[in-house]
Amino acid sequence: GAGVSQTPSNKVTEKGKYVELRCDPISGHTALYWYRQSLGQGPEFLIYFQGTGAADDSGLPNDRFFAVRPEGSVSTLKIQRTERGDSAVYLCASSLLGVNEQFFGPGTRLTVL
Amino acid sequence: GIQVEQSPPDLILQEGANSTLRCNFSDSVNNLQWFHQNPWGQLINLFYIPSGTKQNGRLSATTVATERYSLLYISSSQTTDSGVYFCAGSPQGGSEKLVFGKGTKLTVNP
Repeated sequence: GAGVSQTPSNKVTEKGKYVELRCDPISGHTALYWYRQSLGQGPEFLIYFQGTGAADDSGLPNDRFFAVRPEGSVSTLKIQRTERGDSAVYLCASSLLGVNEQFFGPGTRLTVL
Repeated sequence: GIQVEQSPPDLILQEGANSTLRCNFSDSVNNLQWFHQNPWGQLINLFYIPSGTKQNGRLSATTVATERYSLLYISSSQTTDSGVYFCAGSPQGGSEKLVFGKGTKLTVNP
């Protein structure tokens, strides 16, 4: 597609449930990034991939959060045992190898009740 | 980690006015970018500007990397310029992650 796409656009879940958020990067982009944004704040880094491997996962808040990119394209962010504090907009971005300008998707708004 | 300070936090303008938004970094950064977040939450790329000056229509940006700051100029503002403007950069010598400021919320009134 022309840009980064994310699904679902909205996700409402109950505390303690498991959720998966999906990101489709721009075709040909080798780097993929996950951020999350709380109301009134700038996006905060979670993890990024170069190809299939996680190059930096220092932003993952705890071991309930995990992300994969098995074929070096689509990525899934997985959150176990969701908590109300996980409610936020989860943003995905991608960039081309050697050209580090990042392009963002529309985000997934996660609400944990 | 690096700190990113944006000023002013809020800005209200009349249509047609000019403005300057500033971004200061606590340490040197790579990959400096400016974004506009529209009312629907989409982050729109304005400039990728690690150094120097760029212009795109009514918008221009200048980064002085040696002094760790960047400026975004908006001329002849329009109501569609309203939204939140973010700057972000990557720490040197490490990850390509972007560290964002808290943004400048711009409101342009007709």
